[in-house]
Amino acid sequence: QVQLQESGPGLVKPSETLAVTCTVSGGSISGFYWSWIRQSPGKGLEWIGYIFNSGTTYYNASLRSRVTMSADTAKNQISLKLTSVTTADTAVYYCARGRWGGPIWGKGTTVTVSS
Amino acid sequence: DIQMTQSPSSLSASVGDRVTITCQASQNMTNHLNWYQQKQGQAPKVLIYDASNLEPGVPSRFSGSGSGTHFTFTISSLQPEDATTYYCQQSDSLPRTFGQGTKLEIK
Repeated sequence: QVQLQESGPGLVKPSETLAVTCTVSGGSISGFYWSWIRQSPGKGLEWIGYIFNSGTTYYNASLRSRVTMSADTAKNQISLKLTSVTTADTAVYYCARGRWGGPIWGKGTTVTVSS
Repeated sequence: DIQMTQSPSSLSASVGDRVTITCQASQNMTNHLNWYQQKQGQAPKVLIYDASNLEPGVPSRFSGSGSGTHFTFTISSLQPEDATTYYCQQSDSLPRTFGQGTKLEIK
């Protein structure tokens, strides 16, 4: 069955760029929407946006100026980049298959923003 | 954005009790309302999608209902393993938004 595995840097300094990757196994990323969701103690669950077939993206307006999502079909990976991070970006970052979340999620990767 | 107001924020009930959690949307929406269960250290797991559809493999003691702005999640007979946190999420419009969560404890 389809499995998702997020990977990330663990620790990022303020003002730097956070980059998280979601590797998909057991199925292709092509033809599906992929969402990113994060969870921080202060803000609960926040849906960041989605990507479809490398070309279609939607970003939550709350993060739109700082977010980029991309897809690498050769590696079967989805990626999230968040620029100019602050401590408020400290969270567990999840990828999920679908336009809203749905039944298939990765286990998440914790990213801490700290100097 | 559609704001989702979930209540209560915490709840204590006994094994076998009927438990209800509600989610109020800030505007009228279709039935694209989902309910998740999240256990400590795990990703959220969808239990109910489109307000009342049980995700395959989810026990039938879980159910959902509602329309418009008012949605309800019910556990008909609370089990010890149900003690965790539950979230609603609207997938009616962009951006998707979540309720603040309900922490359910066993008395």
